[in-house]
Amino acid sequence: GQQLNQSPQSMFIQEGEDVSMNCTSSSIFNTWLWYKQDPGEGPVLLIALYKAGELTSNGRLTAQFGITRKDSFLNISASIPSDVGIYFCAGQSWGGGKLIFGQGTELSVKP
Amino acid sequence: KAGVTQTPRYLIKTRGQQVTLSCSPISGHRSVSWYQQTPGQGLQFLFEYFSETQRNKGNFPGRFSGRQFSNSRSEMNVSTLELGDSALYLCASSPILTGADEQYFGPGTRLTVT
Repeated sequence: GQQLNQSPQSMFIQEGEDVSMNCTSSSIFNTWLWYKQDPGEGPVLLIALYKAGELTSNGRLTAQFGITRKDSFLNISASIPSDVGIYFCAGQSWGGGKLIFGQGTELSVKP
Repeated sequence: KAGVTQTPRYLIKTRGQQVTLSCSPISGHRSVSWYQQTPGQGLQFLFEYFSETQRNKGNFPGRFSGRQFSNSRSEMNVSTLELGDSALYLCASSPILTGADEQYFGPGTRLTVT
């Protein structure tokens, strides 16, 4: 199935460090969404981006919609243990509906 | 406001059987999408319903089907189950269907086919 290229696949960091992950696509998207998934649960929406170049923050999280409309990144500042989980990017074409997901970035935070 | 609910949370079925999964969207949300999540393929789109009509469909065989009721609740059905259908099935609802919409996921139904 179709997937976005998300990197890195996994990260092991120390508490307090900043984290950066990104997604790239060969297709243009109208919307970029970032989700976090904990074991045994569904993905939780973190940030939604709707315009090329848009930079949006949600607490310690910051995400940007790439100018080319083919990429997006997510930064987490001053990581804490509860940031542990799998982060997914998702792109959506004009018209809404179907989301195309990245493979996920598994984040581990050492206290 | 209550989130997306899915029932059952866990299910074990035998090859060849069929299964029906249920999803209740967030109150006021009219669009419901279904996704399959497996370790190998990740999150893959199954189909989307809006106003009781299937609007989009992913690349899954015809054994996978769904429907939406007038109260926006949705069900998906998988017939003639195969071992490879073992997965976490996620339902997501969104408030509107425009050029861009945020989707909110339920906790999923973990289906195991033996």
